[in-house]
Order: sequence, then C-alpha cells, then structure tokens
Amino acid sequence: EPEVTQTPSHQVTQMGQEVILRCVPISNHLYFYWYRQILGQKVEFLVSFYNNEISEKSEIFDDQFSVERPDGSNFTLKIRSTKLEDSAMYFCASSGQGGDQPQHFGDGTRLSIL
Amino acid sequence: GENVEQHPSTLSVQEGDSAVIKCTYSDSASNYFPWYKQELGKRPQLIIDIRSNVGEKKDQRIAVTLNKTAKHFSLHITETQPEDSAVYFCAASSMNYGGSQGNLIFGKGTKLSVKP
Repeated sequence: EPEVTQTPSHQVTQMGQEVILRCVPISNHLYFYWYRQILGQKVEFLVSFYNNEISEKSEIFDDQFSVERPDGSNFTLKIRSTKLEDSAMYFCASSGQGGDQPQHFGDGTRLSIL
Repeated sequence: GENVEQHPSTLSVQEGDSAVIKCTYSDSASNYFPWYKQELGKRPQLIIDIRSNVGEKKDQRIAVTLNKTAKHFSLHITETQPEDSAVYFCAASSMNYGGSQGNLIFGKGTKLSVKP
C-alpha cells in the first residue's frame, strides 16, 4: 500500500535557525496538508495545499511558516526562525480528489528546538 | 470555526468488553468524520470514517454512529483486544471547493487501555 514518507524522522535545531521538513505524498494525490502535535496533545491543522497554492491555513501558520512543492514529488514545510514552542511532531498528509478520499498521514518528523 | 470535543480522555476496559468514545462538533457544515488510531510514537492511522449522509457504518469489530441533529458521533469497539490499546482521535471536516476534504479538526484524544 502506498505511503506518505517524511524526512528526517527527528530534527534537532537551535532556536532561531531555519528548518525544512520534507514530505513525499502518495503519488496520485492532489491535496497536501501539514499538521503538528505537541507532545501529549491533539493533532492541530497548520496548512493545506492544492494546485500549487495554499487552500487554507490556521492561526498557527504565521509568517514564520511557508510551504512549497518544489518538484512533482516533494512537499516541504519551512520554519524560518524557530522558537522553543515550535517543538512538536509534524505530520504531513495527502488525499486524492473526491469527497470520499481520506487523508493519509506520514510517520512524522519530531522537531526539537534547543 | 469548528470545535470538536471528545470524551472520555482515558478509558480502561477488560479484554472482551466493549469501548465507546464520543465526540461532538459545533459546525453544522462539517460532513466528514474520521477516526484515527495512534500508537505511541507513530502516525495517526485511519480506522473508520463516516459521512453525513450515513447514520451508521460498521467494519468488523469497529462501528461509528452519527447523529447530525445533535452534532455528535461515536466510535464503538466490540470484543476489545490488548492490541486495541492506543490513543483514538475523532475529527471533523467539510468538503472544500475542490471536491476533497477540508482540513481536519481533531478532538483531544482518548487513551484506551485494554487489560488482558
């Protein structure tokens, strides 16, 4: 069964540094999402992406965040100047077109800001 | 915006018993309600979902019910097994203009422990 893959599995970064999290969605999917989960808390929506532009974004997704689909397979989340509170598990998800297509999640990247 | 409440936060059952987890949502435009199972340190995995044009859906030991009028939906697991132990999240979303789902709004999760 095809899967969403994410790299790296764990990223440790100094506060203030830029970080890029990478995702390869399922190949025939058209909708891409980033979520985050602070340890022990619920999964929170960050941003959705379709047709090379952002469809929706949450209040969490401020000017420090950006997303990009640099080629036909990768989908990236960039945090420009990381803060301690950015420490979380970041999940990428993708879904196909059609209202009956569920979102499939990757294994996540654990981001630790020191 | 949408708000999803989930309870209980923890649930402990004996192997073989049933488990029920309940969620309520606030936005009447929500029309898609998935349930995800998350084992420690792993990805959320979709276990069952239901759309607003259906009142109940069943898949082996797992069933989900939806009451649109009351804006609540529930997950039912029968004949629980130790491997059912995990955190379960409900979520709600609405179909967006492109014909796929909008963003998922998750509940806070229920930690289910099944004791052998």
